[in-house]
Amino acid sequence: GAVVSQHPSWVICKSGTSVKIECRSLDFQATTMFWYRQFPKQSLMLMATSNEGSKATYEQGVEKDKFLINHASLTLSTLTVTSAHPEDSSFYICSATHLVFSPLHFGNGTRLTVT
Amino acid sequence: AQKVTQAQTEISVVEKEDVTLDCVYETRDTTYYLFWYKQPPSGELVFLIRRNSFDEQNEISGRYSWNFQKSTSSFNFTITASQVVDSAVYFCALSEASFQKLVFGTGTRLLVSP
Repeated sequence: GAVVSQHPSWVICKSGTSVKIECRSLDFQATTMFWYRQFPKQSLMLMATSNEGSKATYEQGVEKDKFLINHASLTLSTLTVTSAHPEDSSFYICSATHLVFSPLHFGNGTRLTVT
Repeated sequence: AQKVTQAQTEISVVEKEDVTLDCVYETRDTTYYLFWYKQPPSGELVFLIRRNSFDEQNEISGRYSWNFQKSTSSFNFTITASQVVDSAVYFCALSEASFQKLVFGTGTRLLVSP
């Protein structure tokens, strides 16, 4: 069964609103979670790395004030897309791991459409 | 910097044909990991294989096989006797020693027709 749950699976929102995406590890403590973004027919690009209890590390070119990441517990990380615009429409997918050298588990992804 | 190249954007085959998906990588690390993932139309990533840089043995799992050649920095994936259910986008990925932060290739879309 799925060990990483991502919610919602899809969301449609209006331009200017904020959207929160959750990534939960179901049966392990996720010390590190990763957020990826995938535009249609493109590859997955790492957006940020979050470690439980500390600030996320963002990849170059990713606006940290627009994509707020919170990893407040060992089983939950959230990605909030603030003031969403149509160009933020994408497939967002998280992955989680317990420790270095532990298996990496992916969520099922969230398809965000901003109208 | 790490980089993964999947030169084949899309491949179309007829069922039962064999197909090989190419993957070429670049890294300065001596210890690294290579992965293949399948992404069906529903979007989730299905893990297929992880291989570390010290293990050049080829691997076979049912109809799937992988050929790792360190000398050419390639990690190719072959599907034998392809089936319609194999239609998906396949990603090759590379990570540093801790195999957590993945760098993905651009993917190869495989279309298997009946």
